[in-house]
Amino acid sequence: EVQLVESGGGLIQPGGSLRLSCAASGFTFSNYAMSWVRQAPGKGLEWVSAISGSGGSRYNADSLKGRFTISRDNSKNTLYLQMNTLSAEDTAIYYCARAPDPYYDRSGYDYWGQGTLVTVSS
Amino acid sequence: EIVMTQSPATLSVSPGERATLSCRASHNIRSNLAWYQQKPGQAPRLLIFDASIRATGIPARFSGSGSGTEFTLTISSLQSGDFAFYYCQQYNNWPRTFGQGTKVEIK
Repeated sequence: EVQLVESGGGLIQPGGSLRLSCAASGFTFSNYAMSWVRQAPGKGLEWVSAISGSGGSRYNADSLKGRFTISRDNSKNTLYLQMNTLSAEDTAIYYCARAPDPYYDRSGYDYWGQGTLVTVSS
Repeated sequence: EIVMTQSPATLSVSPGERATLSCRASHNIRSNLAWYQQKPGQAPRLLIFDASIRATGIPARFSGSGSGTEFTLTISSLQSGDFAFYYCQQYNNWPRTFGQGTKVEIK
């Protein structure tokens, strides 16, 4: 059974940094591209970042202005999102999602985690 | 960046009726479009990819159509579990983008 379990969320002060993790199981992690998608409270879905199965290709949303970095450790079956210079606008549930392709998400995201809540507030 | 616009924002439908949701892309995205369903407190679920292909386990009452800039998700006969939010997403260009969503509510 495919499982994606996010962790690392919590309350963080503006200007702070946080690293989210997504532990994957039930499939060969390195064979799949992965992404992060976020959802602010009461709002819609916002695509954040994507990474290929090998980790060699990465893409970010323009709005992030380089503050977030996606990475993965295929030996640990884990996806990461390093988030820096956080502001209140980054408050959201952060989901990791699997793309059924090793290179990029050319068929959408077929499995999602339950998300981890990041709250940026003083 | 490709802007995805969904309409209507809210759709009120009676159980058993048909629901038609629209999604428009600001530029040609060919058939590189997915539809997701999201219920309160849950993660999104993939319904349709490549504009018209149902994902594994998705009932036949869900169908997608369109290409280029105009897309439609049709739910042929709404069941109680179908009342939810629906999002379209393009994966033709980076960055990927979602529509703002359509809420399907009970009339």
